[in-house]
Amino acid sequence: AQSVAQPEDQVNVAEGNPLTVKCTYSVSGNPYLFWYVQYPNRGLQFLLKYITGDNLVKGSYGFEAEFNKSQTSFHLKKPSALVSDSALYFCAVRDMVSNTGKLIFGQGTTLQVKP
Amino acid sequence: DGGITQSPKYLFRKEGQNVTLSCEQNLNHDAMYWYRQDPGQGLRLIYYSQIVNDFQKGDIAEGYSVSREKKESFPLTVTSAQKNPTAFYLCASSIASGRRETQYFGPGTRLLVL
Repeated sequence: AQSVAQPEDQVNVAEGNPLTVKCTYSVSGNPYLFWYVQYPNRGLQFLLKYITGDNLVKGSYGFEAEFNKSQTSFHLKKPSALVSDSALYFCAVRDMVSNTGKLIFGQGTTLQVKP
Repeated sequence: DGGITQSPKYLFRKEGQNVTLSCEQNLNHDAMYWYRQDPGQGLRLIYYSQIVNDFQKGDIAEGYSVSREKKESFPLTVTSAQKNPTAFYLCASSIASGRRETQYFGPGTRLLVL
């Protein structure tokens, strides 16, 4: 079955430190992977995606993600965290089996950046 | 959120009542989606539409209905058959339904049961 796992419900980091939000996936064939961020009571904002090519993908607000096929992972990273990065982060993979075009989401990871 | 609007921001439903959530986009996107978000469960697909006058059920369509009469509009009706409607509802759109396309989300509607 296709799935996405975000193993940490919450990640805590100090402002200025590097951050990593973990994501692993299980799909048939080559994956199309996405990261979104959600602020309280708001919709999801697109951060970045991996379709093909370079394993290191750069996105909005200084975020990047590294695709690792052997470990089936797509971890989100940022070299220096800001307090304003505190939010709920979702990893998603495109459904490669059905024809719905849907995204399969992880359960989300809350990032807390402390001053 | 830009380009996709959802209204109202909050909606209250009484027992046995049907309610309709609005979703409008000005991005000229062909594909539109409705997801439901529950705490700790990520998002689940309710309905999707790849083109005007066509729509298909997603994973949790029971108790919901949609229409797609105009390219820019994809309203969702939560019927009385949906026994647990309290959730955050998110509309999304993409330029096409292809697997490479990015889905962009609206600001959401929070539905509460009185």
